[in-house]
Amino acid sequence: QQQVKQSPQSLIVQKGGIPIINCAYENTAFDYFPWYQQFPGKGPALLIAIRPDVSEKKEGRFTISFNKSAKQFSLHIMDSQPGDSATYFCAASKSGTASKLTFGTGTRLQVTL
Amino acid sequence: KAGVTQTPRYLIKTRGQQVTLSCSPISGHRSVSWYQQTPGQGLQFLFEYFSETQRNKGNFPGRFSGRQFSNSRSEMNVSTLELGDSALYLCASSLFEGGGEQYFGPGTRLTVT
Repeated sequence: QQQVKQSPQSLIVQKGGIPIINCAYENTAFDYFPWYQQFPGKGPALLIAIRPDVSEKKEGRFTISFNKSAKQFSLHIMDSQPGDSATYFCAASKSGTASKLTFGTGTRLQVTL
Repeated sequence: KAGVTQTPRYLIKTRGQQVTLSCSPISGHRSVSWYQQTPGQGLQFLFEYFSETQRNKGNFPGRFSGRQFSNSRSEMNVSTLELGDSALYLCASSLFEGGGEQYFGPGTRLTVT
């Protein structure tokens, strides 16, 4: 049973655009939601993470929006650049087992000039 | 501070053989988790080690095992390799057991022929 659903599978935006990647979870016990960025041949890199006590978190050009009642969260990338072209994964875990991340299926983002 | 290191980076094995992969966490990090990444199944949690003890386990057969040493370095072993074990094996470290922020290494690319 897939516990974290991620969409879209792929996304193409122009430089300066704001790609939005969405995730939905089923397990209400989840209380930690990170986003990872992965380039080909590299391991995932932690971008930003949120807990359910806030509805939004910003770090640089990356913003997470969180909707606890809908069990959804999303990543927005402001002023996207070609260097942001990568695969993005959302994930979720619960307290006490936060290392046991359940990942979404990934979104391949391409930022064109 | 050096990141998570994994050795070897690439490995080719034959069906039925066994393999051992190594992971050195970020200095000071005491928790090490292992993940398998495949195109079909995505990123899946294997197990977490903290203080030389397995703390969490994913849904993988007993052929997959691991251990952690007193210096927090970890190894994972896969016995009786199957073609389906071909994957990128990722190690992640965090400060605490069940700690939220996990940092991934570059992975070991295992190919089973």
